[in-house]
Amino acid sequence: ETGVTQTPRHLVMGMTNKKSLKCEQHLGHNAMYWYKQSAKKPLELMFVYNFKEQTENNSVPSRFSPECPNSSHLFLHLHTLQPEDSALYLCASSQGLAGPERETDTQYFGPGTRLTVL
Amino acid sequence: AQKITQTQPGMFVQEKEAVTLDCTYDTSDQSYGLFWYKQPSSGEMIFLIYQGSYDEQNATEGRYSLNFQKARKSANLVISASQLGDSAMYFCAMRGRSGNTDKLIFGTGTRLQVFP
Repeated sequence: ETGVTQTPRHLVMGMTNKKSLKCEQHLGHNAMYWYKQSAKKPLELMFVYNFKEQTENNSVPSRFSPECPNSSHLFLHLHTLQPEDSALYLCASSQGLAGPERETDTQYFGPGTRLTVL
Repeated sequence: AQKITQTQPGMFVQEKEAVTLDCTYDTSDQSYGLFWYKQPSSGEMIFLIYQGSYDEQNATEGRYSLNFQKARKSANLVISASQLGDSAMYFCAMRGRSGNTDKLIFGTGTRLQVFP
């Protein structure tokens, strides 16, 4: 596997279900991200992890719970979701550059998980 | 506040022609990075090209080039010799600071359709 992979690619779940999205990066990066992309809305940053530590929670509801066991893996645990949570969930990774080099810190994305909440 | 504006919701171009996708940005940072991504219908966001605010030359990557005009705060993407496979959504993004965190701030995108 190369780049950033995400599983599953498609997920349909009921509002009472519990499911998890998985992201894995094979780029040797230190930072990982979860984004939500809804129809006709800009990409929304949800969570950021840098060296396994959460550095950003962009006011995301608690029904979304991230987990980053190591720099290569990122999970998004889902429970009691709402229909408005239906969206494309994208994972990304980057080197996690800081200081003067941070502007060059390019994020590489996975193929996304298309989530439908019934 | 940091902001990216893409004013073209959709663009059409004939195969083998060049096309320019517009992007303007707003920032008070002295140093920043600008990125373009391509998103086909499959969903994956593919990194295309990067331009640093202090780079004196416009960035180029194969058929992609970035027309960077710092004084106008614009970073337009130019695709030369368009191919049918270039049909996709294109997003301009800027590495900016929001509060204490660096974020990649995206525009709303431009849908490019290449026709034969």
